[in-house]
Amino acid sequence: AQSVAQPEDQVNVAEGNPLTVKCTYSVSGNPYLFWYVQYPNRGLQFLLKYITGDNLVKGSYGFEAEFNKSQTSFHLKKPSALVSDSALYFCAVRDRDDKIIFGKGTRLHILP
Amino acid sequence: EADIYQTPRYLVIGTGKKITLECSQTMGHDKMYWYQQDPGMELHLIHYSYGVNSTEKGDLSSESTVSRIRTEHFPLTLESARPSHTSQYLCASSDTGPGYEQYFGPGTRLTVT
Repeated sequence: AQSVAQPEDQVNVAEGNPLTVKCTYSVSGNPYLFWYVQYPNRGLQFLLKYITGDNLVKGSYGFEAEFNKSQTSFHLKKPSALVSDSALYFCAVRDRDDKIIFGKGTRLHILP
Repeated sequence: EADIYQTPRYLVIGTGKKITLECSQTMGHDKMYWYQQDPGMELHLIHYSYGVNSTEKGDLSSESTVSRIRTEHFPLTLESARPSHTSQYLCASSDTGPGYEQYFGPGTRLTVT
């Protein structure tokens, strides 16, 4: 069965330090992987996606994600965190049947 | 900025009232979705549509109903609101195909008293 796991409910990072938000997936066939961000009282905003090609994908606001097929992971990264990056982050996988599965979300706190 | 709109943004209503949450998109997307989300928590898919006259129930059982008479419009209706319906409701749309991202509306925060 398809699934997405975000193993950390919350991640705390000091401003200026690199950040990583983890995501692992299980899907039959080629995965289509997405990251979204949600700020308080807002809908989700698309950050980036992996469809095919380079394993390192660059997205909005300086975020990037690395697709690792052998580890079935798609971790979200940023070299230098900003306080404004504090938000709720969702990983999602979309399978070949177009079914979308979201992870439970990871709350990112950037400490000034 | 995504062109997907939800109204109202906030709604406080008494038990037993009928409510309709509106969702519209101007991107011509065939696929539309409704999610229920308690604040800061995970998303639960409650309804989706592949296109006009198509509606399907999602993974989370819901007492709400939806309709899709026009491509751009996907309203959600609760015939008799209850306190257990208090939540945030998010509408989304996308192109058809696994490589396309979803665009989300700002959400409707519903409180049933």
